[in-house]
Amino acid sequence: GAVVSQHPSRVICKSGTSVKIECRSLDFQATTMFWYRQFPKKSLMLMATSNEGSKATYEQGVEKDKFLINHASLTLSTLTVTSAHPEDSSFYICSAIRTSGRSRGEQYFGPGTRLTVT
Amino acid sequence: QKEVEQDPGPLSVPEGAIVSLNCTYSNSAFQYFMWYRQYSRKGPELLMYTYSSGNKEDGRFTAQVDKSSKYISLFIRDSQPSDSATYLCAMTVTGKLIFGQGTTLQVKP
Repeated sequence: GAVVSQHPSRVICKSGTSVKIECRSLDFQATTMFWYRQFPKKSLMLMATSNEGSKATYEQGVEKDKFLINHASLTLSTLTVTSAHPEDSSFYICSAIRTSGRSRGEQYFGPGTRLTVT
Repeated sequence: QKEVEQDPGPLSVPEGAIVSLNCTYSNSAFQYFMWYRQYSRKGPELLMYTYSSGNKEDGRFTAQVDKSSKYISLFIRDSQPSDSATYLCAMTVTGKLIFGQGTTLQVKP
């Protein structure tokens, strides 16, 4: 099956620093990737839609200057949490939509990145 | 009112039981319905994907969609301890998934 990876899987950073999270589709191309945030025992909340070669589309209430998204290629999207604060601590999950093949249109999730801001 | 409602549980059943997980939704425009399984501290894994009203079966899993009632279900037959996880329903029109809160299931040996 299709594989989506995230790096790092876990990161601890100090308040005020920036953290970059990578999302890669390993065996398929994805023009669209999504970034989600999940609090403990809560559902996934869509943060933004990442489109290759264009600006990301952010959901209402998500600060675009704080959560920088770059979709530089058909297999890589990055989320940078700038000037992180403890309230940014969460589980960040990306997903990628397969654009070709029999499973075209299916969405595959990465394993998630646990961010802890101290 | 949330677009997708799902009872968070937790739901605890004995091994071998039939499990029924449900979601209701309010947006009649939703066309695609998914069920994901998420183990602790892992990303969601797609279990079932349906488009139309009716039933879809895959091994021990059956997904049911009733668009007239805006109600979807996932049935797990002969439940196993390895089925213990959080089950999230999700639905979409444009590719953006809207998730339910997730139901935590524990299957006891």
